[in-house]
Amino acid sequence: QKEVEQDPGPLSVPEGAIVSLNCTYSNSAFQYFMWYRQYSRKGPELLMYTYSSGNKEDGRFTAQVDKSSKYISLFIRDSQPSDSATYLCAMRMSTGNQFYFGTGTSLTVIP
Amino acid sequence: DSGVTQTPKHLITATGQRVTLRCSPRSGDLSVYWYQQSLDQGLQFLIQYYNGEERAKGNILERFSAQQFPDLHSELNLSSLELGDSALYFCASSVEAGGRNEQFFGPGTRLTVL
Repeated sequence: QKEVEQDPGPLSVPEGAIVSLNCTYSNSAFQYFMWYRQYSRKGPELLMYTYSSGNKEDGRFTAQVDKSSKYISLFIRDSQPSDSATYLCAMRMSTGNQFYFGTGTSLTVIP
Repeated sequence: DSGVTQTPKHLITATGQRVTLRCSPRSGDLSVYWYQQSLDQGLQFLIQYYNGEERAKGNILERFSAQQFPDLHSELNLSSLELGDSALYFCASSVEAGGRNEQFFGPGTRLTVL
């Protein structure tokens, strides 16, 4: 079983829709949770960084962590064609330095 | 622009050859990570260096090696190349200050082995 599971999609939504992207994980020691956006095979770009459980909002993006369910989500409100990319979740423990990435979800926002 | 630079952007070589990929971390970052991303694959962690010393090892083949120099730039050496080594290779850097430790990725090197 992989440490981090992520539905690869692809996910296709109309412009303006609310998008929900999710990851599950198996290691309860994970404390830091991140979402990256990767455009067409370019370097991943850090979108959201959260610690432990709870919500964090940044503009149209909301990251949610539910440690009891080992489940994290990224919500994108009022999705735009420019949001079309692959979204990667990542996480790490409080000790140690290795980051564990999901395989990414491909999102297309149709104008 | 993340502040992490990688050279070259593209590399085309033949099987059996050896190549060196270079990464310069963001100013002030002490840690460098190397990842491999193949078509339809997620990011595969290869190796991490912190201030010149190897800190963590992932799924790195014995044909691959890396080092971090005193000026903190890092090189990933790939030898006896095989067709399956064709991939995007990313470098990321972080400062590792206390608990919060964000990784910032470079633009990647696209390696094609013919």
